[in-house]
Amino acid sequence: DVKVTQSSRYLVKRTGEKVFLECVQDMDHENMFWYRQDPGLGLRLIYFSYDVKMKEKGDIPEGYSVSREKKERFSLILESASTNQTSMYLCASTMEQGGQNEQFFGPGTRLTVL
Amino acid sequence: GENVEQHPSTLSVQEGDSAVIKCTYSDSASNYFPWYKQELGKRPQLIIDIRSNVGEKKDQRIAVTLNKTAKHFSLHITETQPEDSAVYFCAAPSGYSTLTFGKGTMLLVSP
Repeated sequence: DVKVTQSSRYLVKRTGEKVFLECVQDMDHENMFWYRQDPGLGLRLIYFSYDVKMKEKGDIPEGYSVSREKKERFSLILESASTNQTSMYLCASTMEQGGQNEQFFGPGTRLTVL
Repeated sequence: GENVEQHPSTLSVQEGDSAVIKCTYSDSASNYFPWYKQELGKRPQLIIDIRSNVGEKKDQRIAVTLNKTAKHFSLHITETQPEDSAVYFCAAPSGYSTLTFGKGTMLLVSP
C-alpha cells in the first residue's frame, strides 16, 4: 500500500510565524503536490515537484514556498503566516504524469493561524 | 489552463435512490477524468476514473460516463447507501503533470 504521511494533523500558529508542513511518501514516487482545501473551493494546487530539487508553481503559490531535498520528502513553507492561510493542507504523490494517474493523498494538516 | 465546473454543490437522496454528479471541462485535449471520494475527516481517495477512449465505465454501483463532444462527464451511483455519504470531487488534467479539481459535491444519503 502507498503510504503518504504528514507531520501534523493539527497545527496552531500565530501571525508572522514561519511554518513548516512536511510530507513523506514511501513508494518512490516522482511527483509530489501540495493542495489547499477550503469549503466551497475544492482542492487548489499550491506547488508541485516532479523531481528532487525541482518545483513548479500551482494555481495559488503566493505566500508559500516549497523544498524537496530528498525524493520521499516534500515540505511546504509559510514564510510569514497570515490568518487567511488558515486552512486544510493536503499533500499527494504519484508515480509519474500526475495529470494522468491516481494521486495518493496524505491525511491532511489543519492549520489555524491566530 | 483547465477549468472544471462541478454541479450540484450539495445533493440529498434517500437510501436506495440514485445520485448523479456532473462536471464540465474546458480543454478539449483532456483525456483522463478521475473521481475522488472524501469521507468526513479522511483523505480523498480515487474511486473510479475514465480515459477518453471509452464512453462509460462501471464498477459495481458506481459508473462514470464521458461525452467528449460536449466536454462533460458524470458520476452515477445507484442504490445509494448511508456509507456513500461523502464529498465527491471530479478532476481533469492540466497537461501531463497536474490535475484541476472541481469544487466538490457533498452527498448525503438518508436512511
